[in-house]
Amino acid sequence: KAGVTQTPRYLIKTRGQQVTLSCSPISGHRSVSWYQQTPGQGLQFLFEYFSETQRNKGNFPGRFSGRQFSNSRSEMNVSTLELGDSALYLCASSLGTGRSSPLHFGNGTRLTVT
Amino acid sequence: AQRVTQPEKLLSVFKGAPVELKCNYSYSGSPELFWYVQYSRQRLQLLLRHISRESIKGFTADLNKGETSFHLKKPFAQEEDSAMYYCALSTNFNKFYFGSGTKLNVKP
Repeated sequence: KAGVTQTPRYLIKTRGQQVTLSCSPISGHRSVSWYQQTPGQGLQFLFEYFSETQRNKGNFPGRFSGRQFSNSRSEMNVSTLELGDSALYLCASSLGTGRSSPLHFGNGTRLTVT
Repeated sequence: AQRVTQPEKLLSVFKGAPVELKCNYSYSGSPELFWYVQYSRQRLQLLLRHISRESIKGFTADLNKGETSFHLKKPFAQEEDSAMYYCALSTNFNKFYFGSGTKLNVKP
């Protein structure tokens, strides 16, 4: 079974630009979550989608948004990029049918904002 | 508020020594707890979850609700155990709170 795939692996953007990150979950997984990982803050929850609906949201500004398609693939968008948005963005998929449903992570997209 | 605390950023032990990675949580409800591991140049992956009450790669973790802890233990550390370990708390559907991680270094 193929794992969670995130594209692209690396991105360099300029302040003020916007960016879209993509995530393909494991086949059969209906939940996709996004996390931001930084050395200072660790892993922070952004949002979670299940069957095309945002089910949970973390404490990030509205510049961070996402969506999920009918095939469970998900995209995350960050608008008006700031230097502080530089981070590793991790996508995780799961069955999403219970709290014990473990997360399966992708390799992440490394975003650098200059 | 929900929080997961891993007090040690780095833990160094010799091969064959016991290891304990500490994790404390704060949550008013019934917790679901996990340990995730990230080996060098690999993706973050599930190590074990408390509900399974299993031993994976010789590691065990017991949920202590009284002390709000979920420490990860292994009686004899191996060099291949060197990795970054994250404790995580699930409070509702797939919303996870992660600790800041502990880097385990097992010396030969």
